[in-house]
Amino acid sequence: DGGITQSPKYLFRKEGQNVTLSCEQNLNHDAMYWYRQDPGQGLRLIYYSQIVNDFQKGDIAEGYSVSREKKESFPLTVTSAQKNPTAFYLCASTLPHGQGHNEAFFGQGTRLTVV
Amino acid sequence: AQSVTQLDSQVPVFEEAPVELRCNYSSSVSVYLFWYVQYPNQGLQLLLKYLSGSTLVESINGFEAEFNKSQTSFHLRKPSVHISDTAEYFCAVTHNNAGNMLTFGGGTRLMVKP
Repeated sequence: DGGITQSPKYLFRKEGQNVTLSCEQNLNHDAMYWYRQDPGQGLRLIYYSQIVNDFQKGDIAEGYSVSREKKESFPLTVTSAQKNPTAFYLCASTLPHGQGHNEAFFGQGTRLTVV
Repeated sequence: AQSVTQLDSQVPVFEEAPVELRCNYSSSVSVYLFWYVQYPNQGLQLLLKYLSGSTLVESINGFEAEFNKSQTSFHLRKPSVHISDTAEYFCAVTHNNAGNMLTFGGGTRLMVKP
């Protein structure tokens, strides 16, 4: 079955550590996204990538980094510069612009907790 | 720029009662509209979408939404809710010039009580 796989589902990080969240898709989608979700604040865009080897900052990129070396993969690194990283992180993908009217497909999320 | 406002952060309702979750958007161009549902500790799933044509769209589990261009609204309704409908619901909007970018509302938590 096609879909988006995020791993791990739960992640604990010590203060000062970098951690990387995995996102893999087999939908052959060009565009991929990372969102952060906090209670009562909806989804906020961290980074997005429209094509391999290219990505753009979203609304809250500070303290995060990404790479897009393969079409299927869009890992997110939460660096020690992110002051409040505890949150639920969602990865999504969409068909290229002009196909599928921008419907987004989501992974199951990773809950990151700083301990 | 486009934006989405979900007017209610929480909606408590008794089982088998009707419910309406409100969504208003702002955009200067024609839009595509979506409702997503999120169950606890899970990702978002597409519930229904309006792309063009009939302004009333339906999901397979009894939800419906009506696109109202003059009111710039896309409210979600269900005539009789079940306990299993308890979840968070997100309204989202995009348009042809937005690339693949969706703009999400803040979400509405539907709490169905027995």
